[in-house]
Amino acid sequence: QKEVEQNSGPLSVPEGAIASLNCTYSDRGSQSFFWYRQYSGKSPELIMFIYSNGDKEDGRFTAQLNKASQYVSLLIRDSQPSDSATYLCAVKSRNTGRRALTFGSGTRLQVQP
Amino acid sequence: ETGVTQTPRHLVMGMTNKKSLKCEQHLGHNAMYWYKQSAKKPLELMFVYNFKEQTENNSVPSRFSPECPNSSHLFLHLHTLQPEDSALYLCASSQDWGERETQYFGPGTRLLVL
Repeated sequence: QKEVEQNSGPLSVPEGAIASLNCTYSDRGSQSFFWYRQYSGKSPELIMFIYSNGDKEDGRFTAQLNKASQYVSLLIRDSQPSDSATYLCAVKSRNTGRRALTFGSGTRLQVQP
Repeated sequence: ETGVTQTPRHLVMGMTNKKSLKCEQHLGHNAMYWYKQSAKKPLELMFVYNFKEQTENNSVPSRFSPECPNSSHLFLHLHTLQPEDSALYLCASSQDWGERETQYFGPGTRLLVL
């Protein structure tokens, strides 16, 4: 079982719709959860992070965390063609000796004009 | 320069060459990382440095040799690489804020080994 799992996609949504990206993780001791956006040929760019159960909103983005279900999601409202990218879910362990993130393989989002 | 910078941005090398990748962070962070990103694979952690000390080595072959002379600079020395080492090499840095600790990435070095 992969430590961080994401559907590779592509997830195709029309412009203006809500895009929903999902991620599950295997380590119950995970502490923090991150969403990065990566355009083709570019490096990952942080969108937001969440570490408490529930929702966290930042502009058009909402991260949702359910630790009991080991599930984290990212909602993108009013999707734009410029949101077309690969979205990487990353998880940080509670182990204070381990600061690196574990990444999923990413979900490719396509927003159709 | 701001954030995390990496040089060179592109590198083509033969299997017998020796080259080095450089990373510099201007964020005052105390940890730096090397990741490898191959096509259609997740980001793979290679090395972690915390206050210049290597704290993680993710079973990386010895043909990759990291160096961290201070908290702001990180190098990856390359020698006798294989074609399968062709990938995007990403540097990142972070500051220890516990659960809020967030990694910021440099632009990456696109490496092609012939």
